[in-house]
Amino acid sequence: DTEVTQTPKHLVMGMTNKKSLKCEQHMGHRAMYWYKQKAKKPPELMFVYSYEKLSINESVPSRFSPECPNSSLLNLHLHALQPEDSALYLCASSQELSSNQPQHFGDGTRLSIL
Amino acid sequence: AQSVTQLDSQVPVFEEAPVELRCNYSSSVSVYLFWYVQYPNQGLQLLLKYLSGSTLVKGINGFEAEFNKSQTSFHLRKPSVHISDTAEYFCAVSERGGKLIFGQGTELSVKP
Repeated sequence: DTEVTQTPKHLVMGMTNKKSLKCEQHMGHRAMYWYKQKAKKPPELMFVYSYEKLSINESVPSRFSPECPNSSLLNLHLHALQPEDSALYLCASSQELSSNQPQHFGDGTRLSIL
Repeated sequence: AQSVTQLDSQVPVFEEAPVELRCNYSSSVSVYLFWYVQYPNQGLQLLLKYLSGSTLVKGINGFEAEFNKSQTSFHLRKPSVHISDTAEYFCAVSERGGKLIFGQGTELSVKP
């Protein structure tokens, strides 16, 4: 069982919809991450939060909007997405934002854009 | 910039046979290395990590990896695989600031 919980597991939305992905961890980790993963490819980093502040934005389009309401929660707000945004979205957390801290991943939200 | 190369995109192997998944990295500074496994329809699970110390690292599910600084390699091994080991395996190196650089992945397919 994963200690990083992501909801929903699956999401189908139209290009004009607004939806949110949620991620929760109760390990006391202070760094949280959003990744996008296409089929048969490694995860691509999107955003990193450290102590609830946005630390890294990998030049992600503004139709993706992250939010970290508290140290246990991470949201990804979606608006006006494109078909190429269909992918598995993974959340991860680590104790600190540091190169020697392993990241722990959730099982992801599989997103399909119609 | 750091990079990771996984030399085999697919590795087919029979059940109970040994397996080695190869990973090479490029880095001019101290490295922290990780192997992750991704089962179908799941997220990534940490198999093992090398941070410092002994170059032979033991992980979960009977896997181990050897850090070789002179060859800049971190190959993953298991002496006897099971059908349940069928999955995608990712090698990763951690950059300063905690960013993970992944290899392209190796699909391990265990056949009965």
